[in-house]
Amino acid sequence: ILNVEQSPQSLHVQEGDSTNFTCSFPSSNFYALHWYRWETAKSPEALFVMTLNGDEKKKGRISATLNTKEGYSYLYIKGSQPEDSATYLCAFLPGGYQKVTFGTGTKLQVIP
Amino acid sequence: DSGVTQTPKHLITATGQRVTLRCSPRSGDLSVYWYQQSLDQGLQFLIQYYNGEERAKGNILERFSAQQFPDLHSELNLSSLELGDSALYFCASSPLKIASNEQFFGPGTRLTVL
Repeated sequence: ILNVEQSPQSLHVQEGDSTNFTCSFPSSNFYALHWYRWETAKSPEALFVMTLNGDEKKKGRISATLNTKEGYSYLYIKGSQPEDSATYLCAFLPGGYQKVTFGTGTKLQVIP
Repeated sequence: DSGVTQTPKHLITATGQRVTLRCSPRSGDLSVYWYQQSLDQGLQFLIQYYNGEERAKGNILERFSAQQFPDLHSELNLSSLELGDSALYFCASSPLKIASNEQFFGPGTRLTVL
């Protein structure tokens, strides 16, 4: 069983604050890491697909970094807005097979 | 709207019964993935199909089976249902067989077993 952990489990921030959260995964046999955004009553939506150590990806105010050697990825949100409120999931894909393991997510609540 | 459709949206059935969940991938996508999300648990990968063939298997129970048809739609069959099978079942699709491609999720089917 692969251990993919996300922290914190939940987070409340004020509108305008910047925030970040972590996804930890096994540092051996890495293939890819996905980040998804999951709003209540909707389905997960892909944010980033990260495959190379040192990858940095950005989409608007949201960015992510990847460190495969130490087994972690950070997701950053700059200037949080209420519409950023969602659960952010990471998914780890090991090499050799295509079994995806999702973390349990970080639930972000942005307070206006 | 991701372009992935799932039917039905909700399903209520009794223990011991059998149900079929259906998924139509985005136009052009050849890979279909099935996930289960139970209460207080994260998304659990069940199985992946690519162009009609099984590609990878996750935590799928023997009572569950799936297939992908020539038109690329997929069905997840759940039999001898138990209370613990109550969950949200998602299907996702991606263009290629390699799972490093982003996946597009359907709206899910909520199964309630009474």
